[in-house]
Amino acid sequence: DIRMTQSPASLSASLGETVNIECLASEDIYSDLAWYQQKPGKSPQLLIYNANSLQNGVPSRFSGSGSGTQYSLKINSLQSEDVATYFCQQYNNYPFTFGSGTKLEIK
Amino acid sequence: QVKLLQSGAALVKPGASVKMSCKASGYTFTDYWVSWVKQSHGKSLEWIGEIYPNSGATNFNEKFKGKATLTVDKSTSTAYMELSRLTSEDSAIYYCTRFYYDGTYYYWYFDFWGPGTMVTVSS
Repeated sequence: DIRMTQSPASLSASLGETVNIECLASEDIYSDLAWYQQKPGKSPQLLIYNANSLQNGVPSRFSGSGSGTQYSLKINSLQSEDVATYFCQQYNNYPFTFGSGTKLEIK
Repeated sequence: QVKLLQSGAALVKPGASVKMSCKASGYTFTDYWVSWVKQSHGKSLEWIGEIYPNSGATNFNEKFKGKATLTVDKSTSTAYMELSRLTSEDSAIYYCTRFYYDGTYYYWYFDFWGPGTMVTVSS
């Protein structure tokens, strides 16, 4: 199975700041990577697919980048509604696997 | 709009089975693979398996083979997952999800999620 190592596990930042979340795959996943946002008590929602494509309706302050084994999610101008846990997911190979999540809080 | 409506929470005894449902609406049910994802309390997500409603074809994470059974009822646009021989390790929220399909190709990321079904295994 492809292992997805996500960091940091938790993050505290101020409103208006820029934050970065990293995801490292145990092998090349050829940009077959998605990012999800899960707000407390809710199901995950798709933010980014194909490593850098923004899902319809997602604010443009979210962006994704990376290739090979290293990927990142960037959130510009942090808003209060961005408080959530973020997960990466590889879909290059079965079984599809997720990172362990990054819990984002407002300082 | 696309909706995945899941059945309510279940409290089941160890060793028993549970069957949960996921009723799809707002799209052509038979065109899209349906997946199931497990989220143990406070933990990450695990992909269980997928089913193609048009044919009933399935693929599973090896970890869940023998544990999960996936079926569909095309007449009601409903997908089902049955979990057998339950233990405390099966206590979790289970989400049904849909893979993205652009009309030609399937992409194995999840563009819609149901609200989840919480399963608690306890005597």
